[in-house]
Amino acid sequence: DAMVIQNPRYQVTQFGKPVTLSCSQTLNHNVMYWYQQKSSQAPKLLFHYYDKDFNNEADTPDNFQSRRPNTSFCFLDIRSPGLGDAAMYLCATSREGGKNQPQHFGDGTRLSIL
Amino acid sequence: DAKTTQPTSMDCAEGRAANLPCNHSTISGNEYVYWYRQIHSQGPQYIIHGLKNNETNEMASLIITEDRKSSTLILPHATLRDTAVYYCIVNDYKLSFGAGTTVTVRA
Repeated sequence: DAMVIQNPRYQVTQFGKPVTLSCSQTLNHNVMYWYQQKSSQAPKLLFHYYDKDFNNEADTPDNFQSRRPNTSFCFLDIRSPGLGDAAMYLCATSREGGKNQPQHFGDGTRLSIL
Repeated sequence: DAKTTQPTSMDCAEGRAANLPCNHSTISGNEYVYWYRQIHSQGPQYIIHGLKNNETNEMASLIITEDRKSSTLILPHATLRDTAVYYCIVNDYKLSFGAGTTVTVRA
């Protein structure tokens, strides 16, 4: 039973055409994270929400934005995707923030840019 | 930046214990050691974490040295489905993934 659900598993968009990836969770966790994982690389944190508070990583491009309308859902918006944005995008949740909180990941959305 | 050092790859035999080492010599007193794994085309899967005591759950055991500068993840009876990239991460407030260890379990 998937607890962090990402749809679709595969997404294709055109260069420069805005795209939105979605994530939902059934865990009622306070924190939701978005990671980018490029081919043959490790996941890299883009930003996270602690409840409604948005926390951006310093090196996340401005092209990437996020919305969290409620506890269960979080969206990743890429305003003008470039070829370099092709990657797996992973959503994760944790009950709270802090160091003693495991994160639970979805299976990701693989984004391709034409 | 990753604060851990792991071997690039290792092989192990199906049915045998797999011992995965990790060095984290700069770990601070309140940082936890986490282990995740990522099977091809899936999201990372949480395995186990600990602060200074050894930990065991249904998936694995985590042995942390007394000085906390290194740890070992033990998969007690490796199966083919344990083939994955294993990440050892020292948790600040976020997960900073390093390159991990590619573990291949062979029949």
